[in-house]
Amino acid sequence: ETGVTQSPTHLIKTRGQQVTLRCSSQSGHNTVSWYQQALGQGPQFIFQYYREEENGRGNFPPRFSGLQFPNYSSELNVNALELDDSALYLCASSLDGRYYGYTFGSGTRLTVV
Amino acid sequence: QQQVKQSPQSLIVQKGGISIINCAYENTAFDYFPWYQQFPGKGPALLIAIRPDVSEKKEGRFTISFNKSAKQFSLHIMDSQPGDSATYFCAASKKENDYKLSFGAGTTVTVRA
Repeated sequence: ETGVTQSPTHLIKTRGQQVTLRCSSQSGHNTVSWYQQALGQGPQFIFQYYREEENGRGNFPPRFSGLQFPNYSSELNVNALELDDSALYLCASSLDGRYYGYTFGSGTRLTVV
Repeated sequence: QQQVKQSPQSLIVQKGGISIINCAYENTAFDYFPWYQQFPGKGPALLIAIRPDVSEKKEGRFTISFNKSAKQFSLHIMDSQPGDSATYFCAASKKENDYKLSFGAGTTVTVRA
């Protein structure tokens, strides 16, 4: 199986709730990154995992957290949702923790009301 | 803080024309400069990329021009086609942070038939 798969595709949550987004990396890729893309903006780096360890974090508060599992799938968790968290959340995978050509999923559209 | 500045925000070109998108960066540690193409409802897809030891790279109708001294790079889309209508993002990355991507704000290209 090739490509990066994200679920769900769309999600509506209420302010203050918690959300978990999921990502299945491209086969053979051991690095996964998460990006937030607000409407009309470029993606912003949230964090990256390499072989289950976080190895970089962007300018996002601690209520954004993640996990990478032994099969290299990943989760993004966001606590205490705020209206500004409404965005497209993108997962990208690559090989060997280096830039080898990131493959992006189609994203999860999160709407916070 | 936007590490990569992209312009224009949008452009319209006639079929067969040339689309030109410009990007500028400040951090001289950046050593990899990819361009991504994004269609509505999809994640970004790698289009073409360049390293700073090369001044130009061409793949089909897409060409990157790179000016290291000016810290600028641009994407030229030759013989633009309606299927090229999409949002284009320039990005930059560096080895010292495992090639995490810093994206520009994006350019929406519309090709009129």
